[in-house]
Amino acid sequence: GNSVTQMEGPVTLSEEAFLTINCTYTATGYPSLFWYVQYPGEGLQLLLKATKADDKGSNKGFEATYRKETTSFHLEKGSVQVSDSAVYFCAYSSASKIIFGSGTRLSIRP
Amino acid sequence: DAGVIQSPRHEVTEMGQEVTLRCKPISGHDYLFWYRQTMMRGLELLIYFNNNVPIDDSGMPEDRFSAKMPNASFSTLKIQPSEPRDSAVYFCASGPAGPSYNEQFFGPGTRLTVL
Repeated sequence: GNSVTQMEGPVTLSEEAFLTINCTYTATGYPSLFWYVQYPGEGLQLLLKATKADDKGSNKGFEATYRKETTSFHLEKGSVQVSDSAVYFCAYSSASKIIFGSGTRLSIRP
Repeated sequence: DAGVIQSPRHEVTEMGQEVTLRCKPISGHDYLFWYRQTMMRGLELLIYFNNNVPIDDSGMPEDRFSAKMPNASFSTLKIQPSEPRDSAVYFCASGPAGPSYNEQFFGPGTRLTVL
């Protein structure tokens, strides 16, 4: 069935390190793809999105490219900050819903 | 815009009691979603509405759960009777028309503890 698979956490990095969080999806058609972020004690908020193949979404230094050939949407950031510590969710659109992955907890050490 | 508003932010109740969670979506949004988040099960979609009409309630765990949307600016999620396994953070989210291509805006959540 349709699903999203993202790398399990927790991921712990030092400040200014390079970040990659892998995400692959199984879906029919051409869904829109999203990364949502959840800071402690808050609801999810959209970080970035891509609506068609080869699109690159970007925001706050984060990037992800819609790769239809590999059904992937990996999240990357060149230099992480302590303030990036949060849980990151990969997701895709399905009809009128959004299907979320299980989330990856990211912790950044000063 | 105030964003999605949820109340209460925290609720502690005893097993068997009725619990009502409330949500005010962003004005003008056509879709409203209720989610539940736990460590064990992650984020689960319970039910969603389009123009105040329930579209898909397949995620509602059992008959103890019910949701209503009497108008475009208000929705409730009710649990009666509540059980300890219902303890979770419940999120309401709203989205504009065509949410397949647009973001959902989440509220801050209600943390429910059933003793």
